[in-house]
Amino acid sequence: AIQMTQSPSSLSASVGDRVTITCRASQDIKNELGWYQQKPGKVPTVLIYAASILQSGVPPRFSGSGSGTDFTLTITSLQPEDLATYYCLQDNSYPLTFGGGTKVEIK
Amino acid sequence: EVQLVETGGGLMQPGGSLRLSCATSGFVVSDSYMNWVRQAPGKGLEWVSLIYTGNSAYYADSIKGRFSISRDISKNTLYLQMTNLRAEDTAIYYCARGTKDSSGWCLDSWGQGTLVTVSS
Repeated sequence: AIQMTQSPSSLSASVGDRVTITCRASQDIKNELGWYQQKPGKVPTVLIYAASILQSGVPPRFSGSGSGTDFTLTITSLQPEDLATYYCLQDNSYPLTFGGGTKVEIK
Repeated sequence: EVQLVETGGGLMQPGGSLRLSCATSGFVVSDSYMNWVRQAPGKGLEWVSLIYTGNSAYYADSIKGRFSISRDISKNTLYLQMTNLRAEDTAIYYCARGTKDSSGWCLDSWGQGTLVTVSS
């Protein structure tokens, strides 16, 4: 199975900060990766798919990049409502695998 | 409006069996990539299983041989049959729809989840 290594596992940033989360795949997954946000006590929602495509309705401060084995989720200006845990998910091959998650806290 | 509603969770003893259901509306289950994803208490997301057109099914290594995914097209419902349950299967189980377009694939709709607790 493809392993997805996400970093950092947690971070604390101020409102307005630029935040970057990375995900590394154990093998080439092309651009077959999505990013998901899970707010406390809530169901996950998709932010980005195909590594860089913004899901409809997601604020443009979220962006994704990367291909092959290295991927990045960027929040250009952190907002209070971005308090959440973020996960990457590879859909290149079965079994699908999530990264371990990055918990984003607001200073 | 797309809706997914999971039912069937509960407290089970190790070695027991349980069937989860996911009733859907607003789309056709047989045309979609239907998934189960679980989340142990305080832990991250774990993909469990997927079924799509032609009844092709895939499973996580951790549950392969113990869980089985299926769907009833007439009821527009997804199922997860769970057998030989273990304490480590304790989790919230989410039903999620996978959608594919020309760019890629994602889990674009999720249910609220149903809690399965395995304990003696």
